[in-house]
Amino acid sequence: GAVVSQHPSWVICKSGTSVKIECRSLDFQATTMFWYRQFPKQSLMLMATSNEGSKATYEQGVEKDKFLINHASLTLSTLTVTSAHPEDSSFYICSASVGGGGADEQYFGPGTRLTVT
Amino acid sequence: GEDVEQSLFLSVREGDSSVINCTYTDSSSTYLYWYKQEPGAGLQLLTYIFSNMDMKQDQRLTVLLNKKDKHLSLRIADTQTGDSAIYFCARGGATNKLIFGTGTLLAVQP
Repeated sequence: GAVVSQHPSWVICKSGTSVKIECRSLDFQATTMFWYRQFPKQSLMLMATSNEGSKATYEQGVEKDKFLINHASLTLSTLTVTSAHPEDSSFYICSASVGGGGADEQYFGPGTRLTVT
Repeated sequence: GEDVEQSLFLSVREGDSSVINCTYTDSSSTYLYWYKQEPGAGLQLLTYIFSNMDMKQDQRLTVLLNKKDKHLSLRIADTQTGDSAIYFCARGGATNKLIFGTGTLLAVQP
């Protein structure tokens, strides 16, 4: 159980276009979803925390107008990279949590590799 | 320096034990985790330890926590080639927000 999917797994887009990445919890309802960004050979950096039905909380230094997060249902969160540029190329990973505070309640998606040309 | 630090690379021979180390600065963490990431994939939770524990063993995995020194380690017994991956330690608290370490690439030589 506790499977999280992401779509697409890999996307290449042109500079200036917008890209939407979906994160779905397939067999559970996620009250909270997290979006991370991972540069090559580096760690995961938390971008934002998203609770269903409310606005996302962005980490310091993350532009909320550039990385639009929508968490419209308990099983789906989307991250839209607006007006993408080559420096936005990265591996984006989401995770979903069934509740607050638990040790093993956060499940990770397989990631989406974004390449902006 | 970084909040959670790890050595970048570890190479071991198949069948040997691997020990991956992690240090952190924030002593308020409630849980400490070890995740495994295979190439091009997401993260797989391997194990975690509550901050008031010193040790946790789960099959081939042993986690040791020295809270005084803020040092966490993951020992993999009888390391196999399938264990080759990047290993991340992470710390978390009540908000479920995770702060990840820099990652250690484990290379297992046959």
